[in-house]
Amino acid sequence: AQKVTQAQTEISVVEKEDVTLDCVYETRDTTYYLFWYKQPPSGELVFLIRRNSFDEQNEISGRYSWNFQKSTSSFNFTITASQVVDSAVYFCALSEDYYGQNFVFGPGTRLSVLP
Amino acid sequence: GAVVSQHPSWVICKSGTSVKIECRSLDFQATTMFWYRQFPKQSLMLMATSNEGSKATYEQGVEKDKFLINHASLTLSTLTVTSAHPEDSSFYICSAGPRQSSFSQYFGPGTRLLVL
Repeated sequence: AQKVTQAQTEISVVEKEDVTLDCVYETRDTTYYLFWYKQPPSGELVFLIRRNSFDEQNEISGRYSWNFQKSTSSFNFTITASQVVDSAVYFCALSEDYYGQNFVFGPGTRLSVLP
Repeated sequence: GAVVSQHPSWVICKSGTSVKIECRSLDFQATTMFWYRQFPKQSLMLMATSNEGSKATYEQGVEKDKFLINHASLTLSTLTVTSAHPEDSSFYICSAGPRQSSFSQYFGPGTRLLVL
């Protein structure tokens, strides 16, 4: 069965520090999809990235970057020069479904960025 | 982009009452919608898959008689928490994706339910 592990329950950093959120996944499928979502205090999930299992190219989007390593089943997320607005709970998720439905979410990492 | 709405965003009710939560896809049709539940400081857990025109598929451990799902149209799914109890207090989130587009899934803003 598919499973997502986020070992870091809570992380606190000072503004402008870089921070990496870890995500390790388990799946028996060769085709799968990985996601990161941000959940601010309002509760609404904010989509950050989707990556399919065939694309191991790392991605950078502004201050955000993702490192996908199939060999270690990891999909880590780095925020560079963190800001207070980055404070939220971040979820890594996995879907084995072609349409990207039926997510299995990791337990989440609560990030606090202190001024 | 595609938008999924939920109504109400907040609901407080007395124990024993039933509460209906709506999930709407605003600018696309969705044959399938998903309902998740999130307890405080926990992750999202899939409760059920709502299928338009047919019965919902429930995850193991989710009482189908407790959480009634109706997907009567391609843009609306409802979740009714029947005879709610304090332990049903949670954050309920739905998701949906355009049927004509592979690989897109949009989450609603969530509904916070507090049962007194």
